[in-house]
Amino acid sequence: RKEVEQDPGPFNVPEGATVAFNCTYSNSASQSFFWYRQDCRKEPKLLMSVYSSGNEDGRFTAQLNRASQYISLLIRDSKLSDSATYLCVVSGTGRRALTFGSGTRLQVQP
Amino acid sequence: GAVVSQHPSRVICKSGTSVKIECRSLDFQATTMFWYRQFPKQSLMLMATSNEGSKATYEQGVEKDKFLINHASLTLSTLTVTSAHPEDSSFYICSAARPGGAYNEQFFGPGTRLTVL
Repeated sequence: RKEVEQDPGPFNVPEGATVAFNCTYSNSASQSFFWYRQDCRKEPKLLMSVYSSGNEDGRFTAQLNRASQYISLLIRDSKLSDSATYLCVVSGTGRRALTFGSGTRLQVQP
Repeated sequence: GAVVSQHPSRVICKSGTSVKIECRSLDFQATTMFWYRQFPKQSLMLMATSNEGSKATYEQGVEKDKFLINHASLTLSTLTVTSAHPEDSSFYICSAARPGGAYNEQFFGPGTRLTVL
């Protein structure tokens, strides 16, 4: 079983749509959670950290459910520029290295 | 945000040659750098953790004699792929952790795309 699992997609949505991505992780000792964005053939860039209380940054909302070991990302009012691969990332106890999911591809269409 | 550079951005080489990739933190001193590898349509996989002044810690399944890591200064880590073969063709990405920053905060380099013919 992969440490971090994501639906690879692609998710094809029209501009303005709301889209949600989910992710599950296997290591219950994981302590830090993130969503990264990766454009084609580029390095990943941090989109937002994910906290148990849930957090929002503009059109993006992230949620963490530790009991279910489940992380979500909601994107409202999708823009063309949101088209990218979204990577679910976790990090464990005493370990700075990050464990990446394989990503969910989003394609926003005009 | 902090800046991490990688050089070269792209390299094409013949099978059997060695390739060196540099990772530099441009505006901070990085005591810890990480090397990842990403095959097409797959996730980034951690290869090794590089600590300045000490030996790198390699992940299970990564050959330390094939992927030589040197972190001789606080701003530079190098990854050398020795005797590269076509199966080593991949996207190699480094990241650096900034002292005093959030524990898991990492800044990624732009990556190096290696193609071995």
